[in-house]
Parts: sequence; C-alpha cells; structure tokens
Amino acid sequence: QLVESGGGVVQPGRSLRLSCAASGFTFSNYGMHWIRQAPAKGLEWVAVMSYDGRNKYFADSVKGRFTISRDNSKNTLYLQMNSLRTEDTAVYYCATTSIGYSYGYFWGQGTLVTVSS
Amino acid sequence: QSVLTQPPSVSAAPGQKVTISCSGNSSNIGKNYVSWFQQLPGTAPKLLIYDNNNRPSGIPDRFSGSRSGTSATLGITGLQTGDEADYYCGTWDTSLISGVFGGGTKLTVL
Repeated sequence: QLVESGGGVVQPGRSLRLSCAASGFTFSNYGMHWIRQAPAKGLEWVAVMSYDGRNKYFADSVKGRFTISRDNSKNTLYLQMNSLRTEDTAVYYCATTSIGYSYGYFWGQGTLVTVSS
Repeated sequence: QSVLTQPPSVSAAPGQKVTISCSGNSSNIGKNYVSWFQQLPGTAPKLLIYDNNNRPSGIPDRFSGSRSGTSATLGITGLQTGDEADYYCGTWDTSLISGVFGGGTKLTVL
C-alpha cells in the first residue's frame, strides 16, 4: 500500500514536503507518480520519477517549483513543493507506474495541501 | 481542456449496461496502457482497471476495460445505484512527456 503524509495549510510562497511511504511490494522496482486533484476539479498529473531515480518529469504548472525524489532504502517517495501558489491547493496522491510511465496498480489515499494566507 | 476526451455524463437504469468512452491519439492511448478510476463523492479515486483491461483484486467483473486504436472504453454491467460516481481515464503521453487524464464522466443510475 501507499500512504501519503505531510499535507497541511501553508501560506503562498512557502514550501512543503510530501512523503509517500510504500509497503507490501518491492518499491525499488516501480516508477512513481504524484497526481493531484483540486477541489471540485478533475485529476491532474504532477510528476513522475523512474524506479532508479534517474529520470523525472514534471507538469508545466509545477516545473521549476516542485522536485521529486525517492529513497529506495526507506521505501519512500517525496515531493518538495516550493513557491506554493493558491492554485496548488489540492489533494495529492502518489501512485506506482505500470509499463513505461502508465499509471499502475498501487494508489494512495491522498494528503490535502491548502495554500492560503 | 483535457488531453483525453470523455463524455461529461452518461445515464442508464439499474440492471442495465453502460459504456464510457475515452478518446486520445497515437501518442497516448495508442501507445500506452490505459487506467480507469471511480470516484464516489468525497472519496479518493479508486482504481477500476489498469493496463487497459485488468481488474485489481476486489473489483467485480461487472467492470471491464478495452482499448482499440486511440480509444478506450469502460463497460459496466448490472448497474447499481452505488455505481453513481465520476469516472476518469488516464494514461501516459509519450509526445507530451506527461501523464494525462480525461475530464471525467458523471454516471447517473436512474
């Protein structure tokens, strides 16, 4: 399973780091996505990292502000969010990849990030 | 504007069958595996179908997925009132180098 943590209320311009703890499968074999959903909106892809951490890609809306990392020894994925904006307010989900970077089998329950002054 | 196109809404009577379409192109659905998600009001998205047509454990066989060319379809048979939810398709886009989703389809069981 995947369990996200680190969400909360933060002021615009500040930073926050989300974590995604994996268990029950071999974390180091899977690429990992971050996906978010703003209130009353659809799903939006945020970022992906390959299983070995070598490759990472970001949505244009977060490029240059968010970074993705992983610690395979701790079975944990991270999302460092800097220069947060009100439009980053959303529930953030982590998920495994499938073949290539398609969405995979394991999904977390999400953590809420609220950016507000 | 979502990269993948879904109908905004579909409806059918209890016990009937419904299909939800998801249209893309050769860089996304045509080249990568499609997933489908169910989102009940106020809850996290739930994976229904992965890799085009596979069901995770615990998902009843009333739910099925298929892909043909640059389109994918979610089928739901034996509709129940509890199936009323938003449904999303998603995949990877090789040209955009980005994950993509459909805009979601609201299913109403009349």
